[in-house]
Amino acid sequence: DIQMTQSPSTLSASVGDRVTITCRASQSVGTWLAWYQQKPGKAPKTLICRASSLESGVPSRFSGSGSGTEFTLTISSLQPDDFATYYCQQYETYSPGAFGQGTKVEIK
Amino acid sequence: EVQLLESGGGLAQPGGSLRLSCAASGFTFSSYAMSWVRQAPGRGLEWVSTVFGGGGSTYYADSVKGRFTIYRDNSKSTLFLQMNSLSVEDTAVYFCAKEAGTAVPPYHFDWWGQGTLVTVSS
Repeated sequence: DIQMTQSPSTLSASVGDRVTITCRASQSVGTWLAWYQQKPGKAPKTLICRASSLESGVPSRFSGSGSGTEFTLTISSLQPDDFATYYCQQYETYSPGAFGQGTKVEIK
Repeated sequence: EVQLLESGGGLAQPGGSLRLSCAASGFTFSSYAMSWVRQAPGRGLEWVSTVFGGGGSTYYADSVKGRFTIYRDNSKSTLFLQMNSLSVEDTAVYFCAKEAGTAVPPYHFDWWGQGTLVTVSS
């Protein structure tokens, strides 16, 4: 099974900060990686697919990069609406560990 | 617009059963693989199960294999999850999710339902 590990688990930041979240896979997933944003009590929202392709309607301050086993999600200038939990997901194969454990972005 | 509406959650006793449903609209249901993803209270997302568009291929997480059955009724654009032998560890919000592509899965998820809460407790 492919396991996904995110870091950090929690990130404290201020509005306007540049924020980077890392996701590592236990084996190569190519670019079959997505990023989701989830707010409390809500369903996840898809931000990025294929490691770096922005979903329609997602602000351009979000970007993704990486391939193989190491990936990053970057928010270029953190906005109040961005305080949430972020998850990476590999979809190279169906695997119980498909999602990372999440990174909570909180207000500093 | 795509809509996914889950139902069927509630309180079940350990060892009991529940059936979740997810009514889909706004897309050609039979063309897409569909999945269930759950989230235990205060925890992260956990993929549970996936069924391909035609219903013939299914995948399960080890934690639910042999207890849960995913299936779909394409004539009614509805996804199901039959959950048997429930344990307290199955307590979670269960989301149905649509995969993004129509070729051979897997794909990322592009639409999610709002979730339905399953509580397993005596």
